[in-house]
Amino acid sequence: AQSVTQPDIHITVSEGASLELRCNYSYGATPYLFWYVQSPGQGLQLLLKYFSGDTLVQGIKGFEAEFKRSQSSFNLRKPSVHWSDAAEYFCAVGGRLSSGGSNYKLTFGKGTLLTVNP
Amino acid sequence: EAGVAQSPRYKIIEKRQSVAFWCNPISGHATLYWYQQILGQGPKLLIQFQNNGVVDDSQLPKDRFSAERLKGVDSTLKIQPAKLEDSAVYLCASSSPKGQFFGPGTRLTVL
Repeated sequence: AQSVTQPDIHITVSEGASLELRCNYSYGATPYLFWYVQSPGQGLQLLLKYFSGDTLVQGIKGFEAEFKRSQSSFNLRKPSVHWSDAAEYFCAVGGRLSSGGSNYKLTFGKGTLLTVNP
Repeated sequence: EAGVAQSPRYKIIEKRQSVAFWCNPISGHATLYWYQQILGQGPKLLIQFQNNGVVDDSQLPKDRFSAERLKGVDSTLKIQPAKLEDSAVYLCASSSPKGQFFGPGTRLTVL
């Protein structure tokens, strides 16, 4: 069974500081990995994804993530946090179903709430 | 490109009543998903459609939840009868090779 662990429930950083959100996954084959962001009262916005190839993935809003197979991790990073980055961040893992194509079933972590201090 | 549309955005009902949610996926996306997100948790997949067929409904409480996608585009999710523990945000998503994209969700409160 696939699973995702986000060890940090809540992280507080100062504006301008660097950020790293941790994500560990369990999956029986090569996973598809995703990071989403959710602002209060909003749906989930896709930040970035890893399917294959280069293990350092660039996303929107200046975020990046690195896939480390040996550590079963997919940590999200940003060099300088802005106040508008305050939100909840979800890591998700999925994989292809036997029918192929874009049929991936996602399992989400419980999320990390990011607070940004001025 | 228009995103995933959902309605209503908010719904308040009493327990044992029924409720239905509607979703219109991104144009051309054959795969559609319904998730339940309870406060403080990540989304949990309820059901996945490929066109108008069900791919996975293993986590759908079938005694009270039902979903359909009759023409392979729009979808409805119904709860009948609702319980207090069904209070959650119900998210619809659709996918392409570029990823899985979510609608704004419907926040359901069961009193």
